[in-house]
Amino acid sequence: DTAVSQTPKYLVTQMGNDKSIKCEQNLGHDTMYWYKQDSKKFLKIMFSYNNKELIINETVPNRFSPKSPDKAHLNLHINSLELGDSAVYFCASSRSWGATQETQYFGPGTRLLVL
Amino acid sequence: SQQGEEDPQALSIQEGENATMNCSYKTSINNLQWYRQNSGRGLVHLILIRSNEREKHSGRLRVTLDTSKKSSSLLITASRAADTASYFCATVRDDKIIFGKGTRLHILP
Repeated sequence: DTAVSQTPKYLVTQMGNDKSIKCEQNLGHDTMYWYKQDSKKFLKIMFSYNNKELIINETVPNRFSPKSPDKAHLNLHINSLELGDSAVYFCASSRSWGATQETQYFGPGTRLLVL
Repeated sequence: SQQGEEDPQALSIQEGENATMNCSYKTSINNLQWYRQNSGRGLVHLILIRSNEREKHSGRLRVTLDTSKKSSSLLITASRAADTASYFCATVRDDKIIFGKGTRLHILP
C-alpha cells in the first residue's frame, strides 16, 4: 500500500558501472522528482517531471538520465558511476506543479555506495 | 539563492519541553513547508503555510511565517522521544522548491 516506492533500497557497486533506480507512485500525482541527499544531509533536487515531461534539470552531470515511461514512474539511470555519486537518492511526487505545488510525498530512499 | 537555512543546526532538549526551529530565506515565496526525516527514512510532510498566512497549527506543531523578515519558525510543544529527527524547511517559488540543510532535533529522556 506504499504511496511512493523505490527499488533497490541499497545499491553497492564498483566505480565505472552503470546502474538504475526505479520509482513508482500510486497516488495519481502529476509530478515526480529525484533528489540527492549527501552525507551532510543536504537535500538537492536533481530532476522533476510533470506529466512525463522534464521540467527541472538542475546542474547534474550528463551521466544521470531520468526516464518517465508514464506518469506513475520515474526511473534514474546513472552511467559510469563515480565515488562522489555515493549518496541517498530520494524519489518524490506531488499532485501539482509550479506555484501551486504543495505537499511532496517521499519514497524511502536508495542508498548508493560506489566503491 | 532562495534556499532556506534552518537554525539551529542541532538541538537537544528534555522530553516534555518545547522545541523551536527557525528557517530564513532570501526571496519572495509562494509557500513554505516543513518536513521531518527520521534516521534512514524519507521525508514526511508536516505542515504547509502560504505566503498570505501568518500562523498555522497542526496538533502539537505551530508554524509561523513572517514574510517581512523572510523567516519561519516551527514550534513542537510537549516534545516526545519520537520527535527525535531532522527537520527541514522548504520554500516554493514559482516552479522551484528548495530545501534547507535541516535542524537535527534530539529529545533526551
